[in-house]
Amino acid sequence: AQTVTQSQPEMSVQEAETVTLSCTYDTSESDYYLFWYKQPPSRQMILVIRQEAYKQQNATENRFSVNFQKAAKSFSLKISDSQLGDAAMYFCAYRSDTGTASKLTFGTGTRLQVTL
Amino acid sequence: EAQVTQNPRYLITVTGKKLTVTCSQNMNHEYMSWYRQDPGLGLRQIYYSMNVEVTDKGDVPEGYKVSRKEKRNFPLILESPSPNQTSLYFCASSFLNSQPQHFGDGTRLSIL
Repeated sequence: AQTVTQSQPEMSVQEAETVTLSCTYDTSESDYYLFWYKQPPSRQMILVIRQEAYKQQNATENRFSVNFQKAAKSFSLKISDSQLGDAAMYFCAYRSDTGTASKLTFGTGTRLQVTL
Repeated sequence: EAQVTQNPRYLITVTGKKLTVTCSQNMNHEYMSWYRQDPGLGLRQIYYSMNVEVTDKGDVPEGYKVSRKEKRNFPLILESPSPNQTSLYFCASSFLNSQPQHFGDGTRLSIL
């Protein structure tokens, strides 16, 4: 079974600075997808960024980018120019590309605080 | 507007009183799923469905039932709720495995 580990329960960053959230996963599969979801206090689950395992290029969405290291099974999220609105819980998630009904396996989350 | 709608958003009830949390999506997605979120545990899958009349267990199915009679609806049923089912519940849907799942706004259940 796949597992996803987020080893940082809480992180803090100053406004306008850069922060990196860590995520590692364990799988024996070669084809899969990785996601970062943001959960603000409103508790909505908002997709931040997505990475296909077959792509070597790291995904980027505006101020958000990932460092995907397939051999190391690592998938960190970098937030540049942090804003107050980035304060939230961030979840890393894994989804298999095999089988007919693959679930999302989530990490336990990292709570990000953004300070002035 | 594309969305996943859950109802109710909040519910406080008592042990043993059957309840249903509804989930509806308007995107014609085949895949739908239920998750529960607990502090320190992230989100864990309860049940999922690949299409009408096709459902299967996730990681934590005990104490829950689901049905998929229509493509757009995927209700979660707690036949005899217990306090350990107090949690935040999310419904999600998507087209294909590769597509990100769209989440509902969550349902906060408190079982006393």
